[in-house]
Amino acid sequence: EVQLVESGGGLVQPGGSLRLSCAASGFTFSSYWMSWVRQAPGKGLEWVANIKQDGSEKYYVDSVKGRFTISRDNAKNSLYLQMNSLRAEDTAVYYCARDVWGSGSYWDYWGQGTLVTVSS
Amino acid sequence: DIQMTQSPSSLSASVGDRVTITCRASQGISNYLAWYQQKPGKVPKLLIYAASTLQSGVPSRFSGSGSGTDFTLTISSLQPEDVATYYCQKYNSAPCSFGQGTKLEIK
Repeated sequence: EVQLVESGGGLVQPGGSLRLSCAASGFTFSSYWMSWVRQAPGKGLEWVANIKQDGSEKYYVDSVKGRFTISRDNAKNSLYLQMNSLRAEDTAVYYCARDVWGSGSYWDYWGQGTLVTVSS
Repeated sequence: DIQMTQSPSSLSASVGDRVTITCRASQGISNYLAWYQQKPGKVPKLLIYAASTLQSGVPSRFSGSGSGTDFTLTISSLQPEDVATYYCQKYNSAPCSFGQGTKLEIK
């Protein structure tokens, strides 16, 4: 059974940093692109970033470029999102999701999400 | 970047009704279009990909159509468990953007 379990969310002040993790199991993690997708409270879905199987390609939504970094450790079956210079508008539930295709993809499995709140 | 626009933003229909939700892309995306269902407090669930291919396990009352810029999601006979927000998403290239969502309620 495919499982994606996020962790690392919490309350952080504006300008602060947070690192999210996603532990994957039930599939060959190193064979898939992976993504982070977020959802602000009461709002719609927004793709944040994705990463190729070997980490050699990464893509970001414009609003997080230069502030967020996606990475992975295939030996640990884990996906990460390092978030720096956080802003109030980054407040959201962050989902880890498995890409079906490549750099442009849809997602067939999602984690339960981890809430990030940016507030003073 | 390509923008995705859904209509209507909200919809109220009766059990058994045929329901149609529309998604329009600001540029052609061939059939690189997916639909998701998100029930209140739950994780998004993939319903349809490649504009019209039903994901495994999804009830056959759901169907999708379209190509290029105009797409539709149809529920042939609305059931109470279909109360949710529905999102379209394009994936021809990054960024993989979503429509703003359509909230579906039972009348």
